[in-house]
Amino acid sequence: EVQLVESGGGLVQPGRSLRLSCAASGFTFDDYAMHWVRQAPGKGLEWVSGISWNSGSIGYADSVKGRFTISRDNAKNSLYLQMNSLRAEDTALYYCAKDRGSEVGSGSCYNYWGQGTLVTVSS
Amino acid sequence: SYVLTQPPSVSVAPGQTARITCGGNNIGSKSVHWYQQKPGQAPVLVVYDDSDRPSGIPERFSGSNSGNTATLTISRVEAGDEADYYCQVWDSSSDPVVFGGGTKLTVL
Repeated sequence: EVQLVESGGGLVQPGRSLRLSCAASGFTFDDYAMHWVRQAPGKGLEWVSGISWNSGSIGYADSVKGRFTISRDNAKNSLYLQMNSLRAEDTALYYCAKDRGSEVGSGSCYNYWGQGTLVTVSS
Repeated sequence: SYVLTQPPSVSVAPGQTARITCGGNNIGSKSVHWYQQKPGQAPVLVVYDDSDRPSGIPERFSGSNSGNTATLTISRVEAGDEADYYCQVWDSSSDPVVFGGGTKLTVL
């Protein structure tokens, strides 16, 4: 059974940093691209970032480019999101999502999702 | 950046057919994926590549895509289908993964 378990969310002040983690199990982690997708309270889905199976291809939404860094550790079956210079508008539930393929590209869609970790940016 | 437009809400009686549209410039040239999200739950992929269904998704869920509109069709709607539905595509722009704004399906 595929499982994606996010952690690391919490309340943080504007301008501070936070690191999210996603522990994956039930599939061959290093065969697939992985993504972060967020959802602000009461709002729709927003893609944040994606990383290919070998970290060779990485993409970011314009809204987080230069502030967030995605990474993965295939030996630990884990995905990460380092979030710096956080803003109030980054407040959201952050989902870890498994791509159906190995690359971040035109075929990307998400066949498994975690339950999310909540990030609240407020003073 | 590429924009996907969905109606905010669609209502349908049980047993009837619900159609949820997703509009975008020449969306027919792209692969469209659809997600179902029930309150308090993570999204679930229900249709991918315009019209394919993942294993475990009922045949009542189907999709089509042509011109400037993609459509998710839910036949014989059940109370359990009540949820938010999102379309998604990949675009070769600065924000490559695009979601529609979501449609709330209400079963009357």
